[in-house]
Amino acid sequence: DTGVSQDPRHKITKRGQNVTFRCDPISEHNRLYWYRQTLGQGPEFLTYFQNEAQLEKSRLLSDRFSAERPKGSFSTLEIQRTEQGDSAMYLCASSSWTGGAYNEQFFGPGTRLTVL
Amino acid sequence: AQSVTQLGSHVSVSEGALVLLRCNYSSSVPPYLFWYVQYPNQGLQLLLKYTSAATLVKGINGFEAEFKKSETSFHLTKPSAHMSDAAEYFCAVSSGGSNYKLTFGKGTLLTVNP
Repeated sequence: DTGVSQDPRHKITKRGQNVTFRCDPISEHNRLYWYRQTLGQGPEFLTYFQNEAQLEKSRLLSDRFSAERPKGSFSTLEIQRTEQGDSAMYLCASSSWTGGAYNEQFFGPGTRLTVL
Repeated sequence: AQSVTQLGSHVSVSEGALVLLRCNYSSSVPPYLFWYVQYPNQGLQLLLKYTSAATLVKGINGFEAEFKKSETSFHLTKPSAHMSDAAEYFCAVSSGGSNYKLTFGKGTLLTVNP
């Protein structure tokens, strides 16, 4: 059983460039979450999907950020015109949702973005 | 709205000593509460969770936490610290609706001295 994987693990880019991250959830999980963790802080919720539908976006997710999950499997998070303030660890988590009780979110190792 | 406050950004204990990491939450509805551990350059691993069953919750690696509604607290304890427990610990809350998004505290870095 493979866990949640994220690619790349590290990304260094120059301010103004676009970047895209990928998350592959646990295969049978229908929910996928994105969080952002800056230095010295806990992770903050960005957005989540149930299957291919994006059901909620945080106010943290400016219009430079876009996330997709086209076939309800892997997801991508794109940041356009990166700024130095975007430097952070981007974490992906997945869970199964069966319409009732809470199910654990399993986290990937994260993608660390550095914007120069 | 929901929030989490972790008291103490850094806790240092000796190997074999009691570990106590403090967490207070705010939630307008009965919450689900969690403790996660994060090792350097890794993702988050769930230690334990409270989902409205028993108020004393046992987790992995000998950790446990007690939900105290009157104190809005969910403190994490371990009777005897081990060197391998050195890591960052995050308390999180999920409440309201079916999205189950997590709101995390700022974390507590645990150092274990030999």
